Amino acid sequence: DIQMTQSPSSLSASVGDRVTITCRASQSISSYLNWYQQKPGKAPKLLIYAASSLQSGVPSRFSGSGSGTDFTLTISSLQPEDFATYYCQQSYSTLRSFGQGTKLEIK
Amino acid sequence: EVQLLESGGGLVQPGGSLRLSCAASGFTFSSYAMSWVRQAPGKGLEWVSAISGSGGSTYYADSVKGRFTISRDNSKNTLYLQMNSLRAEDTAVYYCAKEENWNDDLAFDIWGQGTMVTVSS
Repeated sequence: DIQMTQSPSSLSASVGDRVTITCRASQSISSYLNWYQQKPGKAPKLLIYAASSLQSGVPSRFSGSGSGTDFTLTISSLQPEDFATYYCQQSYSTLRSFGQGTKLEIK
Repeated sequence: EVQLLESGGGLVQPGGSLRLSCAASGFTFSSYAMSWVRQAPGKGLEWVSAISGSGGSTYYADSVKGRFTISRDNSKNTLYLQMNSLRAEDTAVYYCAKEENWNDDLAFDIWGQGTMVTVSS
């Protein structure tokens, strides 16, 4: 099974900051990597698919990059509504898996 | 409007069974693979099971293999998860999710609101 590891597990930042979250796969997954945002009590929301493609309706301040085993999610200028938990997920294997999550908190 | 609506959650004793349902609307249900994803209280997301659009292929996480069965009825636009031999560690919110396919790039683009399953005596 493919293990996904995110870092950091939590992050404090201020409105307007540039933030980067990292996701590492236990084996190469090409670009089969997705990013989701989840707010408390809500279902996850797809932000980025195929490592760098922005899902329709998602603000352009969100971007993704990487391939193989190392990936990043960047938020260029944090907005108040961006404080949430972020998850990466691989779709390379039929046995899908998620990272453990990164909680983004207000500093 | 594209929508997924889960039902069937509740309180069940250890060793018991429960069947979850996920009613889909607003898209051609049979054209898409579907998954169940769960989230234990205060924890992260865990993929549980997936099924192809036709229902001919199914996949399970090791943690539920042999105990859970995923199925679908494309005539009713409904996804199911039969959960047997339930354990305390199966306590979670269970989400159903539609998997979109962009030229073999796959991601969960639509999620239900979730249904809570509590396994406790």
